[in-house]
Amino acid sequence: DAGVTQSPTHLIKTRGQQVTLRCSPISGHKSVSWYQQVLGQGPQFIFQYYEKEERGRGNFPDRFSARQFPNYSSELNVNALLLGDSALYLCASTLSGGPFYEQYFGPGTRLTVT
Amino acid sequence: AQSVTQLDSHVSVSEGTPVLLRCNYSSSYSPSLFWYVQHPNKGLQLLLKYTSAATLVKGINGFEAEFKKSETSFHLTKPSAHMSDAAEYFCVVADQTGANNLFFGTGTRLTVIP
Repeated sequence: DAGVTQSPTHLIKTRGQQVTLRCSPISGHKSVSWYQQVLGQGPQFIFQYYEKEERGRGNFPDRFSARQFPNYSSELNVNALLLGDSALYLCASTLSGGPFYEQYFGPGTRLTVT
Repeated sequence: AQSVTQLDSHVSVSEGTPVLLRCNYSSSYSPSLFWYVQHPNKGLQLLLKYTSAATLVKGINGFEAEFKKSETSFHLTKPSAHMSDAAEYFCVVADQTGANNLFFGTGTRLTVIP
């Protein structure tokens, strides 16, 4: 079975631009979460979506937004990029939306903002 | 609020010797705790999880962790280090207030010396 897939693998953007990152969950999984991992730190929670609705949001500005589609894939959008947005963005899929389900992580999208 | 503290940012061991990676947790609830491993340029992989069953949890690749409520600790151990164990290890506590988000520690980089 295919695991969590993310695209693109790498991305270079300029300050002020907008970026869209994509994630496809494991088949049958209905929940997707997004995390930001800055170099040298642990991942930080950004969003969780379950059945196309936002279930949780971390401490990130409104420049960050996301959505989940009927096929449970997800997009993360970041507007007005700052240098500090440079990070590895990880997507995780879960069978359901509750707190006891194991999260399976994708390989991530490395975003560099210049 | 939930959080974890990884007590060592870097641990270095010789191949064949024991591994100990230390983690303390803080949680208002009975916690769900995890250890994840991240190899360079690869996604996060779940090593093991504790969800209030047995206090000694066995994971993949010979790793295990012991939940000690009196010490609020969840240290990761392995009897004999292998070169392939060299990676970044994250101690993680799950948010149990609703959303299925995870709170990661800052990570411990394990180096294995041949």
